[in-house]
Amino acid sequence: GAVVSQHPSWVICKSGTSVKIECRSLDFQATTMFWYRQFPKQSLMLMATSNEGSKATYEQGVEKDKFLINHASLTLSTLTVTSAHPEDSSFYICSARRTSGRANTGELFFGEGSRLTVL
Amino acid sequence: RKEVEQDPGPFNVPEGATVAFNCTYSNSASQSFFWYRQDCRKEPKLLMSVYSSGNEDGRFTAQLNRASQYISLLIRDSKLSDSATYLCVVNLNTGGFKTIFGAGTRLFVKA
Repeated sequence: GAVVSQHPSWVICKSGTSVKIECRSLDFQATTMFWYRQFPKQSLMLMATSNEGSKATYEQGVEKDKFLINHASLTLSTLTVTSAHPEDSSFYICSARRTSGRANTGELFFGEGSRLTVL
Repeated sequence: RKEVEQDPGPFNVPEGATVAFNCTYSNSASQSFFWYRQDCRKEPKLLMSVYSSGNEDGRFTAQLNRASQYISLLIRDSKLSDSATYLCVVNLNTGGFKTIFGAGTRLFVKA
């Protein structure tokens, strides 16, 4: 079964509104989670690293005021796309690396992804 | 030069064919290696880890050559269900894990 859950799977919103996407680790604690964006026929692009209890680390070119990340607990990180525009329409995916309870293999577990369409 | 480079693809093969994907990485600090599979409009899922000794899982064989900084994935007896994008993934350990994804290679297996 899924070890990382993402919600919602689909969201359609009007331009100018904000959208929140949740990412949960289901059976392990994740001090670090990752947020990606993927455009059609392109690879995953890391947007930011979400750190529990501290500020997220954003990749170059990603606006931190546009993509707000909150990692308030060891099992939940949220990404809020603020004042969304049509060009923000994309597939957003989160991931987490299981490090507790067994040797760290470096394997990433991905959420199911959230497809955002901004009208 | 990209940190992780893969065959551009797409690969179009008939059922039953053997297909090989190649991947090279540029950072010698790369520590662990994986092949992920991504179906259209779905999240990536781990296919297999890659070890220096090579590893096999059914029809899939992965190999790592650290000296050449090269990773491969071999799929034997291709099935229609193997059609997907295959991502080469490399973890760097530079004081903390950093994961680098290749652009992916699309595979189409046809009847």
